[in-house]
Amino acid sequence: AQSVAQPEDQVNVAEGNPLTVKCTYSVSGNPYLFWYVQYPNRGLQFLLKYITGDNLVKGSYGFEAEFNKSQTSFHLKKPSALVSDSALYFCAGRESSNTGKLIFGQGTTLQVKP
Amino acid sequence: GAVVSQHPSRVICKSGTSVKIECRSLDFQATTMFWYRQFPKQSLMLMATSNEGSKATYEQGVEKDKFLINHASLTLSTLTVTSAHPEDSSFYICSARGPSASPGELFFGEGSRLTVL
Repeated sequence: AQSVAQPEDQVNVAEGNPLTVKCTYSVSGNPYLFWYVQYPNRGLQFLLKYITGDNLVKGSYGFEAEFNKSQTSFHLKKPSALVSDSALYFCAGRESSNTGKLIFGQGTTLQVKP
Repeated sequence: GAVVSQHPSRVICKSGTSVKIECRSLDFQATTMFWYRQFPKQSLMLMATSNEGSKATYEQGVEKDKFLINHASLTLSTLTVTSAHPEDSSFYICSARGPSASPGELFFGEGSRLTVL
């Protein structure tokens, strides 16, 4: 069965420090992988995606993610966290059936403290 | 980028009434839209896939007679929660498949918070 997992419910980081939000996937075929961010009572905002090409993907607001095929991971990273980065982050993968349906991870709450 | 608008953002209704939520793609045509439900601090649960001009495809366990989905045009899908009960209170989010230039990418509405009294 295809799945996306985010092993951490919450990640706490001090402002200015690097952050990593973990994601692993199990998607058949060539995976399409995404990261979204959600602020309270808002919809999801697209951060970045991996479809093909360079394993290091750069996205919005200084975020980047590294696709690692051997480890089936797609961790989200940022060199220097901001308090305003505090939000709920979702990793998602697309089913190989091309229905467009995304499989979401459980979500990780990022808390950046001043 | 592609924009998806969802309305209303918040709605409060009495138990037993029906509520309609609209999802519009503002600057692109969306042949397929998706409806999700999200409980507090939880992930998104796909409810159904809405296809323009045809019946929606519901996920297992989702009552199609309770959650009516209509996708009458290439820019509008609606979700109607019929005979709403307090347990239907939730955050409903729609998304649409992006234009062909963005393969696999979904664009999300801002969500609609439904509270059933």
